[in-house]
Amino acid sequence: DVKVTQSSRYLVKRTGEKVFLECVQDMDHENMFWYRQDPGLGLRLIYFSYDVKMKEKGDIPEGYSVSREKKERFSLILESASTNQTSMYLCASAPTNFNYGYTFGSGTRLTVV
Amino acid sequence: DAKTTQPTSMDCAEGRAANLPCNHSTISGNEYVYWYRQIHSQGPQYIIHGLKNNETNEMASLIITEDRKSSTLILPHATLRDTAVYYCIVRGGATNKLIFGTGTLLAVQP
Repeated sequence: DVKVTQSSRYLVKRTGEKVFLECVQDMDHENMFWYRQDPGLGLRLIYFSYDVKMKEKGDIPEGYSVSREKKERFSLILESASTNQTSMYLCASAPTNFNYGYTFGSGTRLTVV
Repeated sequence: DAKTTQPTSMDCAEGRAANLPCNHSTISGNEYVYWYRQIHSQGPQYIIHGLKNNETNEMASLIITEDRKSSTLILPHATLRDTAVYYCIVRGGATNKLIFGTGTLLAVQP
């Protein structure tokens, strides 16, 4: 069964910490995405990558950066975590032909205190 | 990408068909309609997608109107496990991005 795996299900960090959220996919997909999900706001795209070392800003990139050094791994980085970054973070991947859309991970619920 | 409009919530009796509507009146010719669902505390799950023709798979059927300005997702025999938020998304052929709205919360009642 194809998978997108996010390294942590729950994470608690302190304000000002540097936070890494890791996502790994085993489907050899070219495209990978990071979303955050908040009540009443739905899923919002933070960053995406269509190839190794390539990245594109989504709708809400401020306060985040990403890294894609290998095809299977896409990392989301919070340089200095703030309480307004408390959220559910969802990673997804998709092939270039996009036939069946995205495959999502189970999410990481991040709390910044 | 075209914007979609969905009802905020719907109820359906267990065992009956659930028909979830979506309006996408500004859709252009090369844009696909995708449906996903998200069960509480899980990542969204792909259901089905289509361009012009109606589509059916083991999970659901997708009916797209002839003018393509609206579509309906049909779950033929809803179960309690189908209770979820259902997202209708329009994606342009040239982009890899999926822009999610707030979806429809389908509550299947026993």
